[in-house]
Amino acid sequence: SAVISQKPSRDICQRGTSLTIQCQVDSQVTMMFWYRQQPGQSLTLIATANQGSEATYESGFVIDKFPISRPNLTFSTLTVSNMSPEDSSIYLCSVENLPAGGGTEAFFGQGTRLTVV
Amino acid sequence: LAKTTQPISMDSYEGQEVNITCSHNNIATNDYITWYQQFPSQGPRFIIQGYKTKVTNEVASLFIPADRKSSTLSLPRVSLSDTAVYYCLVGVYNQGGKLIFGQGTELSVKP
Repeated sequence: SAVISQKPSRDICQRGTSLTIQCQVDSQVTMMFWYRQQPGQSLTLIATANQGSEATYESGFVIDKFPISRPNLTFSTLTVSNMSPEDSSIYLCSVENLPAGGGTEAFFGQGTRLTVV
Repeated sequence: LAKTTQPISMDSYEGQEVNITCSHNNIATNDYITWYQQFPSQGPRFIIQGYKTKVTNEVASLFIPADRKSSTLSLPRVSLSDTAVYYCLVGVYNQGGKLIFGQGTELSVKP
């Protein structure tokens, strides 16, 4: 299993500002994932963060709005830039484990609840 | 990645067995079926995963028919603490990769 710590757990921010969310994992992992969960909705993948290369963004998400860093195999940051109220969501960091018997088990941080006013 | 369809919500009472069915008609040969549970203000938590037939662990059972076009998550004797959203995911995850979440099923357990 993996233990994931996210900081901050919640924040209230002014529109037009930026917030950087940190994700720390207790073991080395190849890929880290960032998700967004809007109020009352399911999770949507923002991007995959690989160490040593640029993040891979999903359709509808761009690097200028959600820059990601991945300086080593246990840490990543997601920045929400130039925020607007529509960015109010829970942002989640995730890693995966590949069991010997096949399949994938994902582990999630507790999330960062962002409110933009 | 195969699309999944689940009931949006379900109600149950404490002590009952709850079965949540997920349809995935376009499942591919290499796809696994995985269920996650999410409590309010928490990230999703892995419950169970299977490829075919039946899988059981300390939390739940997963029933997968021979054609694999659907699956059923079975929660025995639910309690109030099982109130959560349950997500069914289907995809080729045995090499790692992104997860695509559907709408999930919001289970409400009443006393």
